[in-house]
Formats: sequence, structure tokens, C-alpha cells
Amino acid sequence: AQSVAQPEDQVNVAEGNPLTVKCTYSVSGNPYLFWYVQYPNRGLQFLLKYITGDNLVKGSYGFEAEFNKSQTSFHLKKPSALVSDSALYFCAVRDSLLYGNNRLAFGKGNQVVVIP
Amino acid sequence: DSGVTQTPKHLITATGQRVTLRCSPRSGDLSVYWYQQSLDQGLQFLIQYYNGEERAKGNILERFSAQQFPDLHSELNLSSLELGDSALYFCASSTLTSGGTSTDTQYFGPGTRLTVL
Repeated sequence: AQSVAQPEDQVNVAEGNPLTVKCTYSVSGNPYLFWYVQYPNRGLQFLLKYITGDNLVKGSYGFEAEFNKSQTSFHLKKPSALVSDSALYFCAVRDSLLYGNNRLAFGKGNQVVVIP
Repeated sequence: DSGVTQTPKHLITATGQRVTLRCSPRSGDLSVYWYQQSLDQGLQFLIQYYNGEERAKGNILERFSAQQFPDLHSELNLSSLELGDSALYFCASSTLTSGGTSTDTQYFGPGTRLTVL
């Protein structure tokens, strides 16, 4: 099975500083990778995905992610964090190579706290 | 707003009972997914439907079942409920028009919070 790992439980960053949320993956074949964000009492919101092509993927709300095949990583980044970015961030990978099976496997999530 | 709707938002029930969670996918989306989010298990895939047919099964208990109706809405039925079933249940949908290998994005609903007392 494909899997992702988010090694940190919580990321604290001062407002205005760069934000990085780490994700590493383990897959057979081509990785299809996703980032989602969850605000309190809300559903998951899609931020961006990597399928193929450019290693730097740009997404919603100023977020981007860098795909690194040699390091099997897909870190989420934002150049300047906002207090409103405080939320739970999930990395996910398409979990199956089977035809028609589009299930996602999620990491444990990272709580991001942006300090004013 | 993702366009995926789920009802009810909250559900409180007792052990041994049966509940039904409902999901309406985004307009035009043929595939529906159910996930469970709990503190100890994290976010786990339960089941996927495509145009009324089951496509994939994950860590779904035998006490749980789901279906997708001709109008593409889906229901997740949870029976003989146990305390450990308390969780946030998410529905997601995607286009998956080809029915095959897909890189479609899954869009999630707001979830149903189930509390079993």
C-alpha cells in the first residue's frame, strides 16, 4: 500500500515567517500526492496536488508544495504565514493502483500554530 | 464551500442503535467516498462508490454498509453502534468520469459528528 508520513505533530511559526509542513511518501509507481487543510469544525479543504510535471506545485491561499523524488518528499510551503493559516494540515497519497480505485491514504496531520 | 453536503451535522445516539448518514455529491460528480476521522485512528478510508457501484473498500466494519442511489446521493448506515464508533464521518466526491485510473481531486463535505453514548 502507498503511504505518507508527517513527522511533526505541531508546527509553530511567527506571523510573517515562512511556513513549512513536512511530508514524505512511500509508493510503488508514480505518486499522486495531495495536501488538504482542516479548520476547526470544518471539513477538509483541498489545497493542491502533484500528479506529474513541474516539481513546484502552486495551490490555494498562497500555498505551494515541492515534490522531491530523490528524497521522496512533498513539503507544503508558504512564504509568509498568516494567523488565519492556523489549522490542521493533511498530506495524502492515492492509495491504490487498481483500476477505478481512487482511495486516499492520509498522514496523521500536522497542527500549525501561527503566532501573532 | 465544496459543494458536497452532508446531513445531519451532529448525531447523538446510544450503543446498540442504528443511524444513517447522508451525502449529496457535487453536481456532476459520479464518485462518492466515505472516510472516518477519529483521534486514535486518524483519517481512514471506508468505501468508494462510482455511479451506483461499489469500487473500493477500506477498513469498513461489517456493521457498516453504504450505497449510492440513482440520483448519486449516498448513505452510510452504521448499526449495532459501539462507543468506539464515535467519530467524524466525511463524505467526499470526485468526477472520476472515466471510471478508471484517475487523478481527480476529492472534495470533502463538512462531516457528520457521531457521538455514541
